[in-house]
Amino acid sequence: ETGVTQTPRHLVMGMTNKKSLKCEQHLGHNAMYWYKQSAKKPLELMFVYNFKEQTENNSVPSRFSPECPNSSHLFLHLHTLQPEDSALYLCASSQDRAYTFGSGTRLTVV
Amino acid sequence: GENVEQHPSTLSVQEGDSAVIKCTYSDSASNYFPWYKQELGKGPQLIIDIRSNVGEKKDQRIAVTLNKTAKHFSLHITETQPEDSAVYFCAASIGSGNTPLVFGKGTRLSVIA
Repeated sequence: ETGVTQTPRHLVMGMTNKKSLKCEQHLGHNAMYWYKQSAKKPLELMFVYNFKEQTENNSVPSRFSPECPNSSHLFLHLHTLQPEDSALYLCASSQDRAYTFGSGTRLTVV
Repeated sequence: GENVEQHPSTLSVQEGDSAVIKCTYSDSASNYFPWYKQELGKGPQLIIDIRSNVGEKKDQRIAVTLNKTAKHFSLHITETQPEDSAVYFCAASIGSGNTPLVFGKGTRLSVIA
């Protein structure tokens, strides 16, 4: 266990479903991130929260909606996804750029 | 923005040999360069990092070197073991605080016993 916990570990959803990914950290870090990891591509930064404030949104489609209610929790709300959104979604937290990643949620959109 | 290139994409070595993975970056303002190891079914884990005020850093069998003039940095693993088999990612970032990292595409290292 790295100190960053992601749930669920696996998720299969239809294109019309709504689901949420959850990330929790108790490391006292002040920044949290969502990354998308697809085969043969670099890790793609999706969203950044610093002290609960969203500071970056890397042109992510609106079918992905982040939420950061406090500095320990981060959510990614999903709705009307496409098959190409199937990937491993990684959450990370950091203090001074040293990231700690969770184990990820393996998402399959059918 | 920053762009990080990583080579090779796959690397196979015999157990006990050394492995070297190289990365280049585009923005000369980058000043933090971490390396992550990702094992199957897990998220990436930080194994070593270097900041632009030093040229080399070592931690047991792992070392990282940085050439700011050429804008490249490398990961060196000596005396490789089967448990070193994983995907390794380099990254770079500009500035301070929680500036997001830009990652390379990764290198799949296989250590053959």
